[in-house]
Amino acid sequence: NAGVTQTPKFQVLKTGQSMTLQCAQDMNHNSMYWYRQDPGMGLRLIYYSASEGTTDKGEVPNGYNVSRLNKREFSLRLESAAPSQTSVYFCASRKGRSYGYTFGSGTRLTVV
Amino acid sequence: ELKVEQNPLFLSMQEGKNYTIYCNYSTTSDRLYWYRQDPGKSLESLFVLLSNGAVKQEGRLMASLDTKARLSTLHITAAVHDLSATYFCAVDPNMEYGNKLVFGAGTILRVKS
Repeated sequence: NAGVTQTPKFQVLKTGQSMTLQCAQDMNHNSMYWYRQDPGMGLRLIYYSASEGTTDKGEVPNGYNVSRLNKREFSLRLESAAPSQTSVYFCASRKGRSYGYTFGSGTRLTVV
Repeated sequence: ELKVEQNPLFLSMQEGKNYTIYCNYSTTSDRLYWYRQDPGKSLESLFVLLSNGAVKQEGRLMASLDTKARLSTLHITAAVHDLSATYFCAVDPNMEYGNKLVFGAGTILRVKS
């Protein structure tokens, strides 16, 4: 059972470039989430999808877009990367209320 | 605004000592989760607390939940170096906040030998 798979694990972008972070889960979970983690800032929610076909903004959505492609996959897109988006990005999924998250291994993104 | 506050944010302790990490939150909730994160790694689930008075233990760690006080504690007994990590609590608030967890800032624990 792979759990939550994120790709890529590492990425370096130049300012203004675009990229998509991929996330897939094989646990038949309904909800999926994208967080960023910065030193001293804890985990901040970017976007989430409570169920297939729905997406909602989190705490820090500016500069990002998401797509819930199907029940398994939830991608995060940076249209025009900025140095402020240098961070570690975690995808997570959840079966439903009263269940915790299962996290992916993370993507370390550097924007230069 | 929902707030989840952990303290301390940094804890340096000697092996063999006991200590408690506190997690206070500002809304009603009877679901709280604890996670551990090792440096450079992802978060892994430690405890799931789903009711007032819930207590879970694994090894040298014990977590409890008091929903009336809006407080969860993570107690460390006879710390060992392997417990060095960052510990996060996360609250599952009412549906008015949406279907998402709200995390504390994390407590960095360093156990010195």
